Amino acid sequence: EDQVTQSPEALRLQEGESSSLNCSYTVSGLRGLFWYRQDPGKGPEFLFTLYSAGEEKEKERLKATLTKKESFLHITAPKPEDSATYLCAVQANFGNEKLTFGTGTRLTIIP
Amino acid sequence: KAGVTQTPRYLIKTRGQQVTLSCSPISGHRSVSWYQQTPGQGLQFLFEYFSETQRNKGNFPGRFSGRQFSNSRSEMNVSTLELGDSALYLCASSLWELAGDTQYFGPGTRLTVL
Repeated sequence: EDQVTQSPEALRLQEGESSSLNCSYTVSGLRGLFWYRQDPGKGPEFLFTLYSAGEEKEKERLKATLTKKESFLHITAPKPEDSATYLCAVQANFGNEKLTFGTGTRLTIIP
Repeated sequence: KAGVTQTPRYLIKTRGQQVTLSCSPISGHRSVSWYQQTPGQGLQFLFEYFSETQRNKGNFPGRFSGRQFSNSRSEMNVSTLELGDSALYLCASSLWELAGDTQYFGPGTRLTVL
């Protein structure tokens, strides 16, 4: 069965303090790995898709990378508005098309 | 373009009751998926409907069921509610296929079971 584990559960950073969030996964053939951002009281919002090991995607202060077993979401010089829960999900490339999510990392950026 | 809407936003029920949640997808979207989100388990896939047919299913008991109408609107029903069913129920729509990068999520329905 597909599994996704995210760490840490919660992370508090000072504004400008860079760090990384981890997503470890096992899946029977990876169709895609997805990162989302979820703000309180809202549904998840799509950030990135990664398809194969070695791939990287960037958007503003965020950069997502992928290996065969894990993905990292690097946040560079974060701002308070980057505070949110970041979710990782995988989708297998055959069989059931359902997405399997991790429990998320709650990121707080302190001004 | 209007986003995914879910009604009601908040709901309080007691054990043993049943509940129906509604989801209106983005106009033109034909796939609707449902998820349960709890602090301990995170987001878990319930099922996906496409053109009024259940196309994918997660690992939830038969108390959880859904349907989709010809206008792509979807409803989810939970019968014989248990305390553990308290959660945020999210609906997501996409144009055709179920894929992580083409789903748009609604704000969710917060269900509390007392």
